[in-house]
Amino acid sequence: GAGVSQSPSNKVTEKGKDVELRCDPISGHTALYWYRQRLGQGLEFLIYFQGNSAPDKSGLPSDRFSAERTGESVSTLTIQRTQQEDSAVYLCASSLVAGVPGELFFGEGSRLTVL
Amino acid sequence: GENVEQHPSTLSVQEGDSAVIKCTYSDSASNYFPWYKQELGKGPQLIIDIRSNVGEKKDQRIAVTLNKTAKHFSLHITETQPEDSAVYFCAATTGNQFYFGTGTSLTVIP
Repeated sequence: GAGVSQSPSNKVTEKGKDVELRCDPISGHTALYWYRQRLGQGLEFLIYFQGNSAPDKSGLPSDRFSAERTGESVSTLTIQRTQQEDSAVYLCASSLVAGVPGELFFGEGSRLTVL
Repeated sequence: GENVEQHPSTLSVQEGDSAVIKCTYSDSASNYFPWYKQELGKGPQLIIDIRSNVGEKKDQRIAVTLNKTAKHFSLHITETQPEDSAVYFCAATTGNQFYFGTGTSLTVIP
């Protein structure tokens, strides 16, 4: 596709349910990032992938959060047993070559609301 | 790890005036400093970037300056227009992890 695509764009769930958020990066981009943005706040790093491996998972807030990437393309961020504090916009970004500084291309985000 | 601080958090200017946003970073190994603009309901978009071997870069009404000794970099927007109203984020990286500032909400008053 032309850009980074995220789905769903909007998700409302009940506390305690699991959710999956999907990111389709730009074709050929080897690096993929997940960020969390709470209302009116900055970008909180969650995890990044070089290819299919995740060298840095230090930003994942708890063991309820996990992410995977397959085929050096699609990535899924899973939040288990959601809590109200998980409500935020989850942004995915990709860049051409991991480890070489260059532009991050962001998707429009998945807005998660936990009731 | 890297720590990026950004000021001010909010900024209002009259249309046609200049706006300046400043960031500091802590890791001297950081070598790439992008600036992103985020409009309401959208993902951030790169507007300008600078690498550590350059002191200044300009693109039309937008410029970025970098002082490696002092570890700070700034975004300058001249002749501001209402469509410049958005949240701006600075970032610093060595190429793997990107560290973002907390954002500046810029309002340009017509």
